[in-house]
Amino acid sequence: NAGVTQTPKFRVLKTGQSMTLLCAQDMNHEYMYWYRQDPGMGLRLIHYSVGEGTTAKGEVPDGYNVSRLKKQNFLLGLESAAPSQTSVYFCASSYRQWVQETQYFGPGTRLLVL
Amino acid sequence: AQSVSQHNHHVILSEAASLELGCNYSYGGTVNLFWYVQYPGQHLQLLLKYFSGDPLVKGIKGFEAEFIKSKFSFNLRKPSVQWSDTAEYFCAVNGFQTGANNLFFGTGTRLTVIP
Repeated sequence: NAGVTQTPKFRVLKTGQSMTLLCAQDMNHEYMYWYRQDPGMGLRLIHYSVGEGTTAKGEVPDGYNVSRLKKQNFLLGLESAAPSQTSVYFCASSYRQWVQETQYFGPGTRLLVL
Repeated sequence: AQSVSQHNHHVILSEAASLELGCNYSYGGTVNLFWYVQYPGQHLQLLLKYFSGDPLVKGIKGFEAEFIKSKFSFNLRKPSVQWSDTAEYFCAVNGFQTGANNLFFGTGTRLTVIP
């Protein structure tokens, strides 16, 4: 099993450009999450999905959109990138909704917005 | 508002020293507690977790954590650190939102172990 994978690993954008980050998991997990990690702020939840075709807002959703068309994939989109979105983005997944479930993280995508 | 605090931002220790990293949360309800570790250049990995029962939980690589409900704390400990423990450590909590598995993370503690 590859676990949770993310593409790309690194990207540089200019302000106003758009891009999509892809997260894929091969563990048949129902739940998927997108976090951003910023220095001194830990990880913050952007959006999450409780199953194929469903998404919900997390703590910091503004400026991002997500889609979960297939159970194994969770896409994070930036329609018009801003320098404030410079961050490291982590995707995670968990098997079920239960709060005891461990979240498994991907390796991260480092995004720089100029 | 619910929050998770890690007051130690950067800890530097020599090998074989003992480690204790603090984690406090602010929420009066039932919570579940996690410690994750991020080694340089790698993704987050679960070290240990607490849901119920014995408040002293043991995780991988010799780490343990103690849940003290009265202090809203879940401190991470290791009796003797190794150079390979150099990493960033994150405390995380869920249960703030009923029925959701959304994790709230602390700001992280960077541990540097000097050989």
